[in-house]
Amino acid sequence: SQQGEEDPQALSIQEGENATMNCSYKTSINNLQWYRQNSGRGLVHLILIRSNEREKHSGRLRVTLDTSKKSSSLLITASRAADTASYFCATGNYGQNFVFGPGTRLSVLP
Amino acid sequence: NAGVTQTPKFRVLKTGQSMTLLCAQDMNHEYMYWYRQDPGMGLRLIHYSVGEGTTAKGEVPDGYNVSRLKKQNFLLGLESAAPSQTSVYFCASSRTGANTGELFFGEGSRLTVL
Repeated sequence: SQQGEEDPQALSIQEGENATMNCSYKTSINNLQWYRQNSGRGLVHLILIRSNEREKHSGRLRVTLDTSKKSSSLLITASRAADTASYFCATGNYGQNFVFGPGTRLSVLP
Repeated sequence: NAGVTQTPKFRVLKTGQSMTLLCAQDMNHEYMYWYRQDPGMGLRLIHYSVGEGTTAKGEVPDGYNVSRLKKQNFLLGLESAAPSQTSVYFCASSRTGANTGELFFGEGSRLTVL
């Protein structure tokens, strides 16, 4: 069964706009990670946030984690056409395997 | 540093045929995983390994077997391929597992079973 569920399933924005994707999960976690997948390629790790962290930044990426709501959001600021990809959240916990959501397809239009 | 390498990248099989997908990683990672990715389903874990000589079942193990005879290699076998196994298969590795680590993925192997 899938733990993470991304929302929305698909998102189209104009270049330069911000993109926000959300992830909800069901059970306790030790960390939550976001991955990007370009069409026809493997997944690439973007950022990991631990359960005791509330916010993390990496370049144009900002991730928040609300463990009380069992949710996370990924914000991509000043989006570029190269950000067009599918984005997946994955949860991790001790003694368990990574669990992925179905992903959000982001299209950044020039 | 190649990371995670999968072979072959593409394969077409007939129902009932067998094949093996090879995954190799050069990062000295303990953990290795095989996922399948189907449209709208995200990634589903088939089998995984927490170290050389170990394997374990994931979420969707039926119809697949795996072996990890060497730390750097993780093989996924289909003994009798079925059309339901048409998918894109991804191998991944991790240094410390889901508790603290991140996954490094290969580029995928696209399998079609006719």
